[in-house]
Parts: sequence; structure tokens; C-alpha cells
Amino acid sequence: GESVGLHLPTLSVQEGDNSIINCAYSNSASDYFIWYKQESGKGPQFIIDIRSNMDKRQGQRVTVLLNKTVKHLSLQIAATQPGDSAVYFCAERDTGNQFYFGTGTSLTVIP
Amino acid sequence: AAGVIQSPRHLIKEKRETATLKCYPIPRHDTVYWYQQGPGQDPQFLISFYEKMQSDKGSIPDRFSAQQFSDYHSELNMSSLELGDSALYFCASSLSPGENEQFFGPGTRLTVL
Repeated sequence: GESVGLHLPTLSVQEGDNSIINCAYSNSASDYFIWYKQESGKGPQFIIDIRSNMDKRQGQRVTVLLNKTVKHLSLQIAATQPGDSAVYFCAERDTGNQFYFGTGTSLTVIP
Repeated sequence: AAGVIQSPRHLIKEKRETATLKCYPIPRHDTVYWYQQGPGQDPQFLISFYEKMQSDKGSIPDRFSAQQFSDYHSELNMSSLELGDSALYFCASSLSPGENEQFFGPGTRLTVL
């Protein structure tokens, strides 16, 4: 199947700083790319998505950037808070409506 | 607000036994997805249903089957359980197959001894 993976397994940031979580993908035919947050003991929670024909999308405190040239996706979290500590997954949705998750990045926010 | 309900939350089975996991989607959500997440792994898509029909099939073993019922709840049936089936099993639902926002349940933790 498609390959979606993250560059770094762990990331630690100071509270209030901005966080950047990166993701590489291999399937150029994906329709959408999605970021999920998974807190310990819970199911993944949708954060934001971006269509493959866009290069940037902003949400509340989050921005997703898509660089199709190098097949790279990033999630930027502004003013990171302790509640942002979680594992973050990027996922891609193919044209057949299947979702492929990449390896998660564990974000730790240091108070 | 109503969320996705999964039962049981924890399940312990012996090798070669069978297990049935249940999922109750958010009301008015007609699309259900099943995922398997091993320890420290990313969720792996197993299968999805839309309007009680199988929609897409991922890496679901032949020993597993699933269906969606008339009330939109779904069940994942697992037979001839193996040690490697020990994992968290998540169900997610969405308003329609075209929605990227999936709402995940709390998961069922299956342990095969």
C-alpha cells in the first residue's frame, strides 16, 4: 500500500513555542492529507485536512503545509500548550476512500 | 455530544478463540471504519461500510469479517485468534464516505494469550 511516514518519532517543545511536525508521503495520487492527534488511551482525533490541490490551510492555532514537489506535509502548532502533548499522525486518503496512517510523532510540551 | 461507542473496552481471549467487537456510530453517521493499532504502531485500516454495504477493504485478515446492521452499528468478528491479533481496535464513523473527519471511538483492547 501507500507509504506515509514521519521524519522524527519524538519532539519536545517549550510551552508557548511553535511546534512543527513533519511527514513524508509517497502516493502522489492521494486526494487529501489529514492530521490526527491521539492522546494516551484515546482514539485519534481529527485536527485538520488539506486537499491535494492546495498548499496551505489554516485552522485554529494550526497550519498545514503541503509541498507536492517533495511530497512533504507539515503541521504547525502555534503557541504550543501542555494539552497539545500527544502523538500526531498524518494520514492520506486515496481515491478509493481508504485512509493510510503514517508513523506517529510524539509531541511533549515542557511547561 | 454523542460519541462513537465501542464494546467491550477490554477483551482477553485465548489463541484459536473467536471474538466479536461492536461499534455504535454517532447518530446520523452512515459510514463506519475499523482500524487495528498495534503497540506503538499507527492505525491500520481494516474495512469500512457505507449504508450497510462494505465500502472499502484494507489489510483485514481472512479470519476477520465485519458487517453493518440496519441500525448502522457494526461488528467485527475475529476467528482463530493469534497472538499477533493483540492490539487496539478502533471504530470510527463519519457523516458520509466523502468526509475526512472521522470520529473515533475509545477502542477495544484485545489481548490474545
